[in-house]
Amino acid sequence: EAQVTQNPRYLITVTGKKLTVTCSQNMNHEYMSWYRQDPGLGLRQIYYSMNVEVTDKGDVPEGYKVSRKEKRNFPLILESPSPNQTSLYFCASSSYYRGLGTEAFFGQGTRLTVV
Amino acid sequence: LAKTTQPISMDSYEGQEVNITCSHNNIATNDYITWYQQFPSQGPRFIIQGYKTKVTNEVASLFIPADRKSSTLSLPRVSLSDTAVYYCLVGTHTGGGNKLTFGTGTQLKVEL
Repeated sequence: EAQVTQNPRYLITVTGKKLTVTCSQNMNHEYMSWYRQDPGLGLRQIYYSMNVEVTDKGDVPEGYKVSRKEKRNFPLILESPSPNQTSLYFCASSSYYRGLGTEAFFGQGTRLTVV
Repeated sequence: LAKTTQPISMDSYEGQEVNITCSHNNIATNDYITWYQQFPSQGPRFIIQGYKTKVTNEVASLFIPADRKSSTLSLPRVSLSDTAVYYCLVGTHTGGGNKLTFGTGTQLKVEL
């Protein structure tokens, strides 16, 4: 089954304790990206990757890091989480077709609480 | 990416057809129109995508007029399970790194 898998689904952590949210896709997609969703603000892109070893900032990259060492994995790293990073996070992947629109596949989400 | 405008919310009853219109006056020649559905605490799910005229799949229809400055997502005979937020996106995959800009979407509520 084609899917994007995020782990963990729920996470409560303390301020300053480094954490990693994993994301893996089994569709051999080139594109992967991370979003956060907050009430009233919709989904905002954090980082994206066009392929292995190619990453770039989205709209709200501050406080986050990513890496793309393998095509299937795109972990999100919070080096020193703060309470304002409490949010619902989604990983997404899609395939590149020149000239076509975008059909992205999203993971189940990770609800992060930083206290 | 072209900005989109949709109604904030809509109410309907089971069995009715629901039409959600999205305005995108600044759509570019290469842009496609894509609709996503999102249930609470779940990731958005692709519904339908089109460039012009009409597109239909097993879930919905998408109507796009000749000037492409708007589009209408049509959900036939909605049920309670269609209660969700619907997002209209306009853009293209070429370059740009697959940036999907989600607005606030349209909250559809279906009642008995």
